Amino acid sequence: DVKVTQSSRYLVKRTGEKVFLECVQDMDHENMFWYRQDPGLGLRLIYFSYDVKMKEKGDIPEGYSVSREKKERFSLILESASTNQTSMYLCASKGPWETQYFGPGTRLLVL
Amino acid sequence: GEDVEQSLFLSVREGDSSVINCTYTDSSSTYLYWYKQEPGAGLQLLTYIFSNMDIKQDQRLTVLLNKKDKHLSLRIADTQTGDSAIYFCAESDGGTYKYIFGTGTRLKVLA
Repeated sequence: DVKVTQSSRYLVKRTGEKVFLECVQDMDHENMFWYRQDPGLGLRLIYFSYDVKMKEKGDIPEGYSVSREKKERFSLILESASTNQTSMYLCASKGPWETQYFGPGTRLLVL
Repeated sequence: GEDVEQSLFLSVREGDSSVINCTYTDSSSTYLYWYKQEPGAGLQLLTYIFSNMDIKQDQRLTVLLNKKDKHLSLRIADTQTGDSAIYFCAESDGGTYKYIFGTGTRLKVLA
């Protein structure tokens, strides 16, 4: 079974803090994704990575950056957290037949 | 742009069949997916169908695709209380890294 893990289930941070969200997959997938999920808006793509050190912006990259130093690990960075970044963050990796496998999510609250 | 639409809520009685519907606009969709999200969790891939298929069955799940009308449905036979969740329809064209998700249908199963 594909396993995608995220470093935290819940996080509470203060405005202006730098926040790191980590995601690890164990299936040697090349492609990994970060989404945020908000009520009524569905899933919106922040960034994706198609290889180590390679990344592409998604639909809402502003205020975020990413890092992919190793194939299994994809990190999302909030350089200076703001209250409008309070959300559920979902990491995914892409398997065969273009299927995506998701981690359990990190619910981030920025105060 | 591409869009995927779903109704917001569906309520059924335990033991009945549930049918969750989805419409999409991208005529180049190659893969269509159904995901399930339980409270506080990530998205779990339930099933997927290629655009050249009309129907796919997997135990209690039946996916029907009407490519002409760009309509996808998920039928859950003998619905159980454990099926209560949010169900997301998604599509991709297979050629890019872009997946379009619907906003999800919340299924409530009444005992």
